[in-house]
Amino acid sequence: DAGVIQSPRHEVTEMGQEVTLRCKPISGHDYLFWYRQTMMRGLELLIYFNNNVPIDDSGMPEDRFSAKMPNASFSTLKIQPSEPRDSAVYFCASSTRGRGWSEAFFGQGTRLTVV
Amino acid sequence: AQSVSQHNHHVILSEAASLELGCNYSYGGTVNLFWYVQYPGQHLQLLLKYFSGDPLVKGIKGFEAEFIKSKFSFNLRKPSVQWSDTAEYFCAVIGYSSASKIIFGSGTRLSIRP
Repeated sequence: DAGVIQSPRHEVTEMGQEVTLRCKPISGHDYLFWYRQTMMRGLELLIYFNNNVPIDDSGMPEDRFSAKMPNASFSTLKIQPSEPRDSAVYFCASSTRGRGWSEAFFGQGTRLTVV
Repeated sequence: AQSVSQHNHHVILSEAASLELGCNYSYGGTVNLFWYVQYPGQHLQLLLKYFSGDPLVKGIKGFEAEFIKSKFSFNLRKPSVQWSDTAEYFCAVIGYSSASKIIFGSGTRLSIRP
């Protein structure tokens, strides 16, 4: 398996524009997590899905952020409109829970810069 | 609610020194515990994990961690660090219920002087 795949790796956009980040989890994993990492706040859990259903979105900072998982192999995190304070590295991770939790496998991340 | 505390924000050591990074968690049930490492500019990678059994867990690159249930701790150790261990280290916990989520500590930045 190629691991968790995120795209794009880098995104530079102007304030007010819509940004869409994409994630392909590891095949067979039924949990998907979106994290945001900044120097100030560290690693924050934004939202997570189980079997494509959002379970907890309490970490989503504002209504400008939305996430979807239309099927087991794809998820998006959208920011509309984007603001400079959204600049961060966004990580997607996937895991599974069979007889016990697996660890979370992380993608390479998307470095977002909003100017 | 789950939470994870890493008390050391930045640790500076010389090569060959011993390392211990603290991690305490809060959760009222069975937990799974992890340590991840993030090298500069890279994503998080698993160092080691504890699910059950022997509370002393050995991971990659000579790292180990000890789960002490009575202290809600899962400290990371390495007897002799190398310059290549310079990275950020994250402790993480997940409760055993199906509604749990993986929660990360704030991270500890480790700098090794050559």
